Amino acid sequence: AQSVTQPDIHITVSEGASLELRCNYSYGATPYLFWYVQSPGQGLQLLLKYFSGDTLVQGIKGFEAEFKRSQSSFNLRKPSVHWSDAAEYFCAVGSNTGNQFYFGTGTSLTVIP
Amino acid sequence: KAGVTQTPRYLIKTRGQQVTLSCSPISGHRSVSWYQQTPGQGLQFLFEYFSETQRNKGNFPGRFSGRQFSNSRSEMNVSTLELGDSALYLCASSIGHVDTEAFFGQGTRLTVV
Repeated sequence: AQSVTQPDIHITVSEGASLELRCNYSYGATPYLFWYVQSPGQGLQLLLKYFSGDTLVQGIKGFEAEFKRSQSSFNLRKPSVHWSDAAEYFCAVGSNTGNQFYFGTGTSLTVIP
Repeated sequence: KAGVTQTPRYLIKTRGQQVTLSCSPISGHRSVSWYQQTPGQGLQFLFEYFSETQRNKGNFPGRFSGRQFSNSRSEMNVSTLELGDSALYLCASSIGHVDTEAFFGQGTRLTVV
């Protein structure tokens, strides 16, 4: 069965510091992997996605993620965090049968000045 | 182009009542999927409609149902509301292929009292 684990419920970083959010997945076939961000009271916005090819993918807002098949991981990174990055971040794996996602429980990011 | 529109944004209902939520996808998108988001359970997949047919279904009781119209607009209905149905309901629209991006609406906040 498909599942996604985000081990960190909450992370606090200082503005300008680097960030890494962890994501591990369980999926039988080649996974379709996504990172979404949700600001309070808003829907989800896609940051980046991995389907195949280069295992290091670039997204919007300066985010990147690396797919590591051997570790079943898809960690999200940003070299320098901005105060506006404070939000909830969700890792997801996509079903191969359509527009269906399995989400992790999310990581809440707080950015301190 | 216009994004995904969900109406209403906020709703308060009484236990035992029923409710209908609406989702208008992005023009040209044929797939609409629905998710329930709660603090305890996170984001859970309800169902997906593609070209007026339910293509995938999550693990929710039969009180949760949906449909899709010929213009791809979708409605979700919950009958005999329970307190535990209080949640943010999100819909996502996409072209419908597994490797295409899904766009989320801002959600409908349902409160059952």
